[in-house]
Amino acid sequence: KNEVEQSPQNLTAQEGEFITINCSYSVGISALHWLQQHPGGGIVSLFMLSSGKKKHGRLIATINIQEKHSSLHITASHPRDSAVYICAVSTGNQFYFGTGTSLTVIP
Amino acid sequence: GAGVSQTPSNKVTEKGKYVELRCDPISGHTALYWYRQSLGQGPEFLIYFQGTGAADDSGLPNDRFFAVRPEGSVSTLKIQRTERGDSAVYLCASSLAPGNEQFFGPGTRLTVL
Repeated sequence: KNEVEQSPQNLTAQEGEFITINCSYSVGISALHWLQQHPGGGIVSLFMLSSGKKKHGRLIATINIQEKHSSLHITASHPRDSAVYICAVSTGNQFYFGTGTSLTVIP
Repeated sequence: GAGVSQTPSNKVTEKGKYVELRCDPISGHTALYWYRQSLGQGPEFLIYFQGTGAADDSGLPNDRFFAVRPEGSVSTLKIQRTERGDSAVYLCASSLAPGNEQFFGPGTRLTVL
């Protein structure tokens, strides 16, 4: 059983669409992280949150601690948003990662 | 440097050989993590250092894998008697303190033939 589950695994959207990626976790956490990984590229941290909501540009991340669920939203999606988005949770020392959501935004 | 660096970027080796992968964390970051990422999968935790000591090595798959961080900065992941199943991208990340935002290196792509 994976500690972190993401959905969907793959997502294709038209440019301009509103996108939501979901993450559920089963362990007690100190923080949840949303990461972005471009093909052949390194991983970039987008958000780290332990409660509520954070916004950065067109990206919004929310977390519901009681339901052990987080969402990453992308407004007005653009082809350059195409990447793998990974949800990860930290439990003290350890990090558990989801398998990622591969997003393709078509012009 | 400004970010986490890893060398080499690519390593091709033969089954049974020994390899070393190096990670240079961001200066001042006390926590350093090693992960392994197979194709189509999310990163998998291997080992975590706080300073010079391995605070958690529970993710190392077996005793062929070992990592050191002798001076609390640069870390080396060592793999003995490599197997084809060890082929993956090995990622290093560092953070200012445990549990803080992690900054990832570009990874080392290891291919065992």
